[in-house]
Amino acid sequence: EAQVTQNPRYLITVTGKKLTVTCSQNMNHEYMSWYRQDPGLGLRQIYYSMNVEVTDKGDVPEGYKVSRKEKRNFPLILESPSPNQTSLYFCASSLSPTEIRQYFGPGTRLTVT
Amino acid sequence: QKEVEQNSGPLSVPEGAIASLNCTYSDRGSQSFFWYRQYSGKSPELIMSIYSNGDKEDGRFTAQLNKASQYVSLLIRDSQPSDSATYLCAAVSGGYNKLIFGAGTRLAVHP
Repeated sequence: EAQVTQNPRYLITVTGKKLTVTCSQNMNHEYMSWYRQDPGLGLRQIYYSMNVEVTDKGDVPEGYKVSRKEKRNFPLILESPSPNQTSLYFCASSLSPTEIRQYFGPGTRLTVT
Repeated sequence: QKEVEQNSGPLSVPEGAIASLNCTYSDRGSQSFFWYRQYSGKSPELIMSIYSNGDKEDGRFTAQLNKASQYVSLLIRDSQPSDSATYLCAAVSGGYNKLIFGAGTRLAVHP
């Protein structure tokens, strides 16, 4: 089954404790991205990757890091989480940004206290 | 900053009516537009894409695009309670590397 998986689905952590949210897709897609969703603000892109070892900043990259060492995986790293990073995070993949369909993962709800 | 604007709603329509959702975008270079449906607590799912001026129909859904007015809309005919969700409008930026989402319009279809 074609899918994007994210782990963990729910995470409560404390300020400053490094964390990683994993994202994996099994469709051999080149394009992957991370979004955060906050009430009233919609989906905002954090980082995207056009292919292995090619990543670039989206609209809200501050406080986040990513890596793309393998085509299927695109982890999101919060080196020192802060309460303003409490949000719902989605990973997505597609053949390209203009591909007719972007596949979204199930989401990760992060709370930073 | 390239933007996609939507009325947050809620848009309330009776069952069987036509729901009309609207979206405007600021990037004149945008060529590809999408409508996603998102149920509460779930991930967005693509329901329509449109690339050319005019109308595109798919079942009960019709997407409309007017590039001169920088306006995209989604019509849902014969609205059902199961259509109650948040609808996100998205545009691919002129640089073709990013998808810009609107904040979404919440639709409520009441029996």
